[in-house]
Amino acid sequence: ELKVEQNPLFLSMQEGKNYTIYCNYSTTSDRLYWYRQDPGKSLESLFVLLSNGAVKQEGRLMASLDTKARLSTLHITAAVHDLSATYFCAAGDSGTYKYIFGTGTRLKVLA
Amino acid sequence: NAGVMQNPRHLVRRRGQEARLRCSPMKGHSHVYWYRQLPEEGLKFMVYLQKENIIDESGMPKERFSAEFPKEGPSILRIQQVVRGDSAAYFCASSPPDSGVGQFFGPGTRLTVL
Repeated sequence: ELKVEQNPLFLSMQEGKNYTIYCNYSTTSDRLYWYRQDPGKSLESLFVLLSNGAVKQEGRLMASLDTKARLSTLHITAAVHDLSATYFCAAGDSGTYKYIFGTGTRLKVLA
Repeated sequence: NAGVMQNPRHLVRRRGQEARLRCSPMKGHSHVYWYRQLPEEGLKFMVYLQKENIIDESGMPKERFSAEFPKEGPSILRIQQVVRGDSAAYFCASSPPDSGVGQFFGPGTRLTVL
Protein backbone atom coordinates (compact mmCIF):
# COMPACT_ATOMS: atom_id res chain seq x y z
CA GLU A 1 0.00 0.00 0.00
CA LEU A 2 1.38 3.37 -1.02
CA LYS A 3 2.00 5.78 1.86
CA VAL A 4 3.24 9.34 1.57
CA GLU A 5 4.97 11.26 4.34
CA GLN A 6 5.96 14.89 4.46
CA ASN A 7 8.22 16.74 6.79
CA PRO A 8 8.26 19.03 8.48
CA LEU A 9 4.57 19.30 9.33
CA PHE A 10 4.99 22.91 10.41
CA LEU A 11 7.57 25.38 9.24
CA SER A 12 8.02 28.92 10.43
CA MET A 13 10.70 30.86 8.64
CA GLN A 14 11.97 34.38 8.23
CA GLU A 15 11.57 36.26 5.01
CA GLY A 16 14.62 35.95 2.81
CA LYS A 17 15.62 32.51 4.10
CA ASN A 18 15.81 29.24 2.19
CA TYR A 19 14.25 25.96 3.20
CA THR A 20 13.27 22.55 1.86
CA ILE A 21 10.15 20.45 2.36
CA TYR A 22 10.57 16.70 1.97
CA CYS A 23 8.12 14.16 0.60
CA ASN A 24 8.86 10.44 0.96
CA TYR A 25 6.73 7.69 -0.49
CA SER A 26 6.78 4.04 0.39
CA THR A 27 6.44 2.11 -2.87
CA THR A 28 7.11 2.67 -6.53
CA SER A 29 5.28 5.64 -7.96
CA ASP A 30 5.35 6.91 -11.51
CA ARG A 31 4.22 10.46 -10.84
CA LEU A 32 4.51 13.05 -8.10
CA TYR A 33 2.57 16.28 -7.65
CA TRP A 34 2.85 19.35 -5.46
CA TYR A 35 -0.12 21.52 -4.46
CA ARG A 36 -0.65 24.68 -2.49
CA GLN A 37 -3.68 25.33 -0.29
CA ASP A 38 -4.52 28.66 1.32
CA PRO A 39 -6.74 28.61 4.44
CA GLY A 40 -10.35 27.86 3.57
CA LYS A 41 -9.52 27.49 -0.10
CA SER A 42 -9.11 24.72 -2.63
CA LEU A 43 -5.87 23.17 -3.89
CA GLU A 44 -3.80 24.82 -6.57
CA SER A 45 -1.52 22.67 -8.70
CA LEU A 46 2.14 23.73 -8.52
CA PHE A 47 4.26 21.02 -10.13
CA VAL A 48 3.91 17.71 -11.94
CA LEU A 49 7.00 15.46 -11.84
CA LEU A 50 6.95 12.40 -14.04
CA SER A 51 10.48 11.06 -14.27
CA ASN A 52 13.57 10.42 -12.20
CA GLY A 53 15.71 13.53 -11.94
CA ALA A 54 12.87 15.84 -12.99
CA VAL A 55 13.33 19.39 -11.76
CA LYS A 56 10.81 22.19 -12.19
CA GLN A 57 10.96 25.78 -11.04
CA GLU A 58 8.37 28.50 -10.73
CA GLY A 59 9.42 31.74 -9.09
CA ARG A 60 10.87 31.04 -5.66
CA LEU A 61 9.78 27.39 -5.65
CA MET A 62 11.69 24.48 -7.13
CA ALA A 63 10.59 20.85 -7.04
CA SER A 64 12.65 17.76 -7.79
CA LEU A 65 12.09 14.03 -7.92
CA ASP A 66 14.41 11.12 -7.11
CA THR A 67 12.49 7.93 -7.85
CA LYS A 68 15.31 5.68 -6.64
CA ALA A 69 15.24 7.28 -3.20
CA ARG A 70 11.43 7.64 -3.40
CA LEU A 71 11.87 11.27 -2.46
CA SER A 72 10.64 14.58 -3.77
CA THR A 73 11.69 17.96 -2.45
CA LEU A 74 10.15 21.40 -2.63
CA HIS A 75 12.80 24.06 -2.16
CA ILE A 76 11.92 27.61 -1.21
CA THR A 77 14.39 30.34 -2.09
CA ALA A 78 14.37 33.72 -0.34
CA ALA A 79 10.94 33.22 1.18
CA VAL A 80 8.37 36.00 1.10
CA HIS A 81 5.18 36.37 3.14
CA ASP A 82 2.97 35.51 0.16
CA LEU A 83 4.32 31.96 0.21
CA SER A 84 2.59 31.30 3.54
CA ALA A 85 0.22 28.38 2.89
CA THR A 86 -0.05 24.63 3.31
CA TYR A 87 1.87 22.58 0.76
CA PHE A 88 0.87 19.04 -0.14
CA CYS A 89 2.66 16.41 -2.15
CA ALA A 90 0.74 13.56 -3.75
CA ALA A 91 2.09 10.39 -5.33
CA GLY A 92 0.34 8.44 -8.01
CA ASP A 93 -0.32 4.81 -7.16
CA SER A 94 1.41 2.86 -9.95
CA GLY A 95 -0.91 0.96 -12.23
CA THR A 96 -3.92 2.94 -11.05
CA TYR A 97 -5.26 6.45 -11.38
CA LYS A 98 -5.32 6.87 -7.61
CA TYR A 99 -3.42 9.69 -5.84
CA ILE A 100 -2.22 9.45 -2.24
CA PHE A 101 -1.65 12.72 -0.42
CA GLY A 102 0.89 13.55 2.22
CA THR A 103 -0.17 15.16 5.48
CA GLY A 104 0.83 18.62 4.32
CA THR A 105 3.41 21.16 5.49
CA ARG A 106 2.03 24.33 6.97
CA LEU A 107 4.44 27.12 6.06
CA LYS A 108 4.42 30.49 7.76
CA VAL A 109 6.80 33.15 6.52
CA LEU A 110 7.47 35.85 9.08
CA ALA A 111 8.22 39.40 8.05
CA ASN B 1 -12.96 26.50 -20.19
CA ALA B 2 -14.66 26.53 -16.84
CA GLY B 3 -12.88 24.84 -13.98
CA VAL B 4 -14.20 22.08 -11.78
CA MET B 5 -17.49 23.19 -10.25
CA GLN B 6 -18.93 22.02 -6.98
CA ASN B 7 -22.19 22.89 -5.31
CA PRO B 8 -23.28 23.76 -2.84
CA ARG B 9 -20.23 25.51 -1.41
CA HIS B 10 -21.62 25.28 2.10
CA LEU B 11 -24.16 22.76 3.35
CA VAL B 12 -25.68 22.51 6.80
CA ARG B 13 -27.55 19.39 7.81
CA ARG B 14 -29.00 18.06 11.04
CA ARG B 15 -28.07 14.63 12.26
CA GLY B 16 -29.98 11.95 10.39
CA GLN B 17 -30.58 14.00 7.24
CA GLU B 18 -29.10 13.29 3.83
CA ALA B 19 -26.35 15.35 2.22
CA ARG B 20 -25.97 15.45 -1.53
CA LEU B 21 -22.83 17.00 -3.00
CA ARG B 22 -22.41 17.70 -6.71
CA CYS B 23 -19.35 17.97 -8.90
CA SER B 24 -19.10 18.94 -12.55
CA PRO B 25 -15.67 18.10 -13.97
CA MET B 26 -13.75 20.24 -16.40
CA LYS B 27 -14.73 19.84 -20.03
CA GLY B 28 -12.94 16.88 -21.55
CA HIS B 29 -12.16 15.28 -18.20
CA SER B 30 -13.54 11.80 -17.80
CA HIS B 31 -12.06 10.99 -14.39
CA VAL B 32 -13.58 12.26 -11.15
CA TYR B 33 -12.21 11.88 -7.64
CA TRP B 34 -13.72 12.69 -4.28
CA TYR B 35 -11.64 13.53 -1.21
CA ARG B 36 -12.48 14.43 2.37
CA GLN B 37 -10.47 16.91 4.40
CA LEU B 38 -10.90 17.33 8.13
CA PRO B 39 -9.74 20.61 9.70
CA GLU B 40 -5.96 20.88 9.88
CA GLU B 41 -5.52 17.55 8.08
CA GLY B 42 -4.58 16.30 4.63
CA LEU B 43 -6.84 14.97 1.94
CA LYS B 44 -8.17 11.43 2.23
CA PHE B 45 -9.05 9.63 -0.96
CA MET B 46 -12.64 8.42 -1.03
CA VAL B 47 -13.60 7.27 -4.51
CA TYR B 48 -12.56 7.43 -8.14
CA LEU B 49 -15.14 7.28 -10.92
CA GLN B 50 -15.38 7.38 -14.65
CA LYS B 51 -18.62 7.91 -16.52
CA GLU B 52 -21.17 5.36 -15.26
CA ASN B 53 -18.47 3.36 -13.46
CA ILE B 54 -16.99 3.29 -9.97
CA ILE B 55 -13.35 2.35 -10.50
CA ASP B 56 -12.01 2.48 -6.95
CA GLU B 57 -14.07 3.10 -3.82
CA SER B 58 -11.53 1.79 -1.33
CA GLY B 59 -11.62 5.04 0.67
CA MET B 60 -15.36 5.17 1.09
CA PRO B 61 -16.93 4.20 4.41
CA LYS B 62 -18.87 0.98 3.94
CA GLU B 63 -22.15 2.42 5.14
CA ARG B 64 -24.10 5.60 4.43
CA PHE B 65 -21.77 6.86 1.68
CA SER B 66 -22.29 6.37 -2.04
CA ALA B 67 -21.10 8.02 -5.23
CA GLU B 68 -22.13 8.06 -8.84
CA PHE B 69 -21.12 9.67 -12.10
CA PRO B 70 -23.99 9.24 -14.54
CA LYS B 71 -23.77 9.43 -18.29
CA GLU B 72 -25.40 12.84 -18.17
CA GLY B 73 -25.01 15.36 -15.38
CA PRO B 74 -22.63 15.87 -12.49
CA SER B 75 -21.03 13.38 -10.18
CA ILE B 76 -22.89 13.03 -6.89
CA LEU B 77 -21.52 12.12 -3.47
CA ARG B 78 -24.38 11.11 -1.20
CA ILE B 79 -24.17 10.79 2.56
CA GLN B 80 -27.20 9.30 4.22
CA GLN B 81 -28.15 9.76 7.88
CA VAL B 82 -25.34 12.21 8.50
CA VAL B 83 -23.55 12.29 11.86
CA ARG B 84 -21.42 15.02 13.40
CA GLY B 85 -18.24 13.19 12.37
CA ASP B 86 -19.17 13.73 8.72
CA SER B 87 -18.51 17.45 9.11
CA ALA B 88 -15.61 18.20 6.79
CA ALA B 89 -14.64 19.77 3.50
CA TYR B 90 -15.32 17.52 0.54
CA PHE B 91 -13.27 18.20 -2.56
CA CYS B 92 -13.86 16.94 -6.03
CA ALA B 93 -11.06 16.75 -8.58
CA SER B 94 -11.08 15.85 -12.24
CA SER B 95 -8.44 14.80 -14.70
CA PRO B 96 -8.25 13.82 -18.33
CA PRO B 97 -7.33 10.26 -19.32
CA ASP B 98 -3.68 11.36 -19.50
CA SER B 99 -2.52 11.21 -15.87
CA GLY B 100 0.54 13.25 -16.73
CA VAL B 101 -1.26 16.54 -16.21
CA GLY B 102 -2.48 15.78 -12.73
CA GLN B 103 -5.76 16.68 -11.11
CA PHE B 104 -7.70 19.92 -11.02
CA PHE B 105 -9.62 20.64 -7.87
CA GLY B 106 -12.99 22.22 -7.33
CA PRO B 107 -13.63 24.82 -4.62
CA GLY B 108 -14.98 22.21 -2.22
CA THR B 109 -18.20 21.77 -0.27
CA ARG B 110 -18.02 22.48 3.43
CA LEU B 111 -20.47 20.25 5.23
CA THR B 112 -21.54 21.08 8.75
CA VAL B 113 -23.67 18.61 10.68
CA LEU B 114 -25.53 20.09 13.63
